[in-house]
Amino acid sequence: DADVTQTPRNRITKTGKRIMLECSQTKGHDRMYWYRQDPGLGLRLIYYSFDVKDINKGEISDGYSVSRQAQAKFSLSLESAIPNQTALYFCATSETGTGSTYGYTFGSGTRLTVV
Amino acid sequence: AQKITQTQPGMFVQEKEAVTLDCTYDTSDPSYGLFWYKQPSSGEMIFLIYQGSYDQQNATEGRYSLNFQKARKSANLVISASQLGDSAMYFCATTTDSWGKLQFGAGTQVVVTP
Repeated sequence: DADVTQTPRNRITKTGKRIMLECSQTKGHDRMYWYRQDPGLGLRLIYYSFDVKDINKGEISDGYSVSRQAQAKFSLSLESAIPNQTALYFCATSETGTGSTYGYTFGSGTRLTVV
Repeated sequence: AQKITQTQPGMFVQEKEAVTLDCTYDTSDPSYGLFWYKQPSSGEMIFLIYQGSYDQQNATEGRYSLNFQKARKSANLVISASQLGDSAMYFCATTTDSWGKLQFGAGTQVVVTP
């Protein structure tokens, strides 16, 4: 099994629908992140969390919400999906610490299309 | 906010040749980390190499090496002896805070030709 599992892998949804992307990890990392990838823009941070009680907005949080249900689970929701939220979404985890590689692990990504 | 610039949107390289992917960053923090990731067409993000701002030597990992020029704020990735499997998108990223948030460049698409 993958260390960081994202579900679904692919999703097509209609404008205005609520959708949840789920992420679970077996790394035992405290830190979890949601990134969005658009062509020509690289990955941009949506939300990040350092434990169950700590949720922080990233660079592009508008239109998104998150829930950290447990140390191992971090979900991203689009309350009312719009076409410009069509993108590849990544969940990632990292270990606590500085001056290191942080032990970053990415999930395989969720390709979301909003029509 | 930190900014990462990858000026080469795409490039072709012949098999067995070396290729250098450019990355410059803009930060005033003295402590930071620099990462390179590979993203093949399948979409997953594959960690390649890491350089810490205080590391004295350039990082190397197999065929990957990082040409770190701190004064120029440059962290170019060198791939030696390119292989067809190196065809992918390559991202430079950095983090300057203790929270581990990554800031990514726009990426460089590399195509290795026989």
